[in-house]
Order: sequence, then C-alpha cells, then structure tokens
Amino acid sequence: GAVVSQHPSWVICKSGTSVKIECRSLDFQATTMFWYRQFPKQSLMLMATSNEGSKATYEQGVEKDKFLINHASLTLSTLTVTSAHPEDSSFYICSARDIREAGANVLTFGAGSRLTVL
Amino acid sequence: ELKVEQNPLFLSMQEGKNYTIYCNYSTTSDRLYWYRQDPGKSLESLFVLLSNGAVKQEGRLMASLDTKARLSTLHITAAVHDLSATYFCAVDGGGSNYKLTFGKGTLLTVNP
Repeated sequence: GAVVSQHPSWVICKSGTSVKIECRSLDFQATTMFWYRQFPKQSLMLMATSNEGSKATYEQGVEKDKFLINHASLTLSTLTVTSAHPEDSSFYICSARDIREAGANVLTFGAGSRLTVL
Repeated sequence: ELKVEQNPLFLSMQEGKNYTIYCNYSTTSDRLYWYRQDPGKSLESLFVLLSNGAVKQEGRLMASLDTKARLSTLHITAAVHDLSATYFCAVDGGGSNYKLTFGKGTLLTVNP
C-alpha cells in the first residue's frame, strides 16, 4: 500500500531556531499533501494544503511566514517552522493523496513529527 | 463552515461488550473516514465511506454512513483490549481538494 515517510519523528530545538520537517510519498506521486497540527489529547487541525509546483493554501489563522511550506516535487513536501517558540511545540502530521487514485479518496498519513521548543 | 461532532468523547467499556460511536456533521458530504490513533502515533485508516447507506466491516468494527441524516456510526462488537485507542471520524467538505475536517476523537478504553 501507499506509504508516507515523515522525518524527523521527533525534534527538540531552542527558541528562535528554525526546524524543517519532510514528508515524502515513497511509492506514489502526490500533487497534494496536507499538513496538520495536533495538540496533546486533541484533534487534528488542518494547517495548510501543499500543492506541487504552486503556493500552499493556508487555513485561516495559520501564519504563512511562520510555517513555510514547499512542495517542490511530486514526492516531497516540507514544513519549516521559522523562529520557533515554545507555543509551536506540537505533533505535526502530513498526509498525501495518490494522484493515480483520482477517483478514490484515501489519504495516507505520515508517522508524525513531535516538535519540542525549549 | 463544516463542523464534525463525535460522541462520546470518552468511552470506557468492558471486554466482550458492544458499543457505538457517533459522528454527526453539519453540511452535505458523502465522503467520511474513520481513523484510529494509538498514543504517540499517527493515524491508521480504518474505513472509507463514500455513499449513502455504505456499510463496511473489519473484524469487530463496523462503520456505516447515512448522508441524509449526516450521521456515521462506528460499532464495536465484543470489544477486546487491543481496540483501546482514540478513534476519529473525518469528513470531506466537498470539492476536489479532499480537505478533511476531523471530529474531536473518542478515547476508547477497553478494560479486561
């Protein structure tokens, strides 16, 4: 089945630094990937839709300059948390849709990246 | 704005018992998903429901969709401890971008 690899699985950084999280579709191509954020014991909140070759579409309330998304190829999207602060600490999860399955609606989720900002 | 409500949010049940988790949503949609999440892990796809009246079963779990009532159910039959996890329903709000809105999740604990 479709596999999405997310890296790193966990990261600890100091306030003010930037952190990049990668999301790769391993055995399929994905024109669209999604980035979610999940706080402890809460649901997933969609942050942005990453579109290959174009700008990401951000959800209301998500700072574009804070969370930089790049989708440079059909198999890779990256989320960069810039100038991280403790309140950015969270579990970030990406998902991707296989473009071969145009009529299907199954998203494959990455394993998630736990970010802790000190 | 699409809203997805799950209930109950917390469910503690004994092994061998049956129970149902409900997922209501606020706008028309015929694409609904159920996911399982174990602590500290990502989401595992359980069911994809794509039409009114859809029913799918996998092991002790069965999901159904009533698009007219805007309701999906996840029924647990003869629960076992391994089913302990958080279960999310998610609804596709329409269009071609497959954006999902998630419910708050149901934390299921199955006690021996």
